[in-house]
Amino acid sequence: TQLLEQSPQFLSIQEGENLTVYCNSSSVFSSLQWYRQEPGEGPVLLVTVVTGGEVKKLKRLTFQFGDARKDSSLHITAAQPGDTGLYLCAGFSYNQGGKLIFGQGTELSVKP
Amino acid sequence: DSGVTQTPKHLITATGQRVTLRCSPRSGDLSVYWYQQSLDQGLQFLIQYYNGEERAKGNILERFSAQQFPDLHSELNLSSLELGDSALYFCASSSPSGQAMDSPLHFGNGTRLTVT
Repeated sequence: TQLLEQSPQFLSIQEGENLTVYCNSSSVFSSLQWYRQEPGEGPVLLVTVVTGGEVKKLKRLTFQFGDARKDSSLHITAAQPGDTGLYLCAGFSYNQGGKLIFGQGTELSVKP
Repeated sequence: DSGVTQTPKHLITATGQRVTLRCSPRSGDLSVYWYQQSLDQGLQFLIQYYNGEERAKGNILERFSAQQFPDLHSELNLSSLELGDSALYFCASSSPSGQAMDSPLHFGNGTRLTVT
């Protein structure tokens, strides 16, 4: 059973389109991180959200932490081919033994 | 460049064998984490060390073991290898404070293990 469910698992869109990736759980997390991973490389941190309802923006990327700190979303505006990659959410919970738990990831492909 | 170095990049071995994966954390980072990434399981937490001591354990098999040395580099030992152990193994390190267990992780580029 995956503690963090990401959807969709795969997303293929055209350049310029908008998209949203969701990360959901029945558990409460003290913080949630989003990473991006490219083929042949390790995940790279994009953002950390810690407060329920928090919204953070990173250029064309907008991250939101749910009010109850059980879910998060990543919205990309006007996607570009350079956004292609695997997007991973990771939640930290003391109830889970203080481990950072990763979702399965969303594989995004942006076609020119 | 994350500053985390993993060797080797690729490893091909036979079932029943034993291998050692090595990780050098970012300069100054005291925590080292090991993760296994496979297509069907995603990124699975194996184990964490902080300043030489085991701090948290995940779904690590008994055939697997790890340690962190005084110079803070870490090794992951995988023994009695099975076909299902084929995966990408990532090492990550985090901030030197060690107090905030949810500190961002800095990942190496992984070791791709293929068991034939």
